[in-house]
Amino acid sequence: EAQVTQNPRYLITVTGKKLTVTCSQNMNHEYMSWYRQDPGLGLRQIYYSMNVEVTDKGDVPEGYKVSRKEKRNFPLILESPSPNQTSLYFCASSLSLWQGGYTFGSGTRLTVV
Amino acid sequence: AQTVTQSQPEMSVQEAETVTLSCTYDTSENNYYLFWYKQPPSRQMILVIRQEAYKQQNATENRFSVNFQKAAKSFSLKISDSQLGDTAMYFCAFMKVYNNNDMRFGAGTRLTVKP
Repeated sequence: EAQVTQNPRYLITVTGKKLTVTCSQNMNHEYMSWYRQDPGLGLRQIYYSMNVEVTDKGDVPEGYKVSRKEKRNFPLILESPSPNQTSLYFCASSLSLWQGGYTFGSGTRLTVV
Repeated sequence: AQTVTQSQPEMSVQEAETVTLSCTYDTSENNYYLFWYKQPPSRQMILVIRQEAYKQQNATENRFSVNFQKAAKSFSLKISDSQLGDTAMYFCAFMKVYNNNDMRFGAGTRLTVKP
């Protein structure tokens, strides 16, 4: 089944403790992105990647890191999480510019206390 | 920067009736895509319908259709014969045909279908 897989689905952590949210897609998509969803704000892009080793910042990159060492994987790293990073996170992938539209993972609910 | 506005934070509709969700956007681009995504309580983001800006014909997917007014920068979603399973958050989104595949979302409209 074609899908984007995120893990974990839920995560509660403490301020300052490094964490990684994994994302993997099995559709051989070139483009991958991370979004965060907050009430009243919709979804905002954190980082995106156009291909292996090619990543760039989105609208809200502060406090996050990403890497794209393999085409299928695009982990999101929070080196020192803070409470304002409590949010619902989505990984998404897309085949190309012209196909239009993302396929989304099932989301990760992160709480930083 | 592109912005997407959904002016109705919440809406409700009776089962079997028709409801229209509003979306406006601001862009100077001529080529772009517009989308409606559905997010049920499971929180999965599900693509409902997609519209290419160069197409004049409004997109339709079964009970879902859009009214795309390019000059007015308006992209409303009409749901006909509403079903209980349509209860969800609906997001309007804009993507320009560019090199970062950045999709811009509105704040969402929470739709409740009442029996």
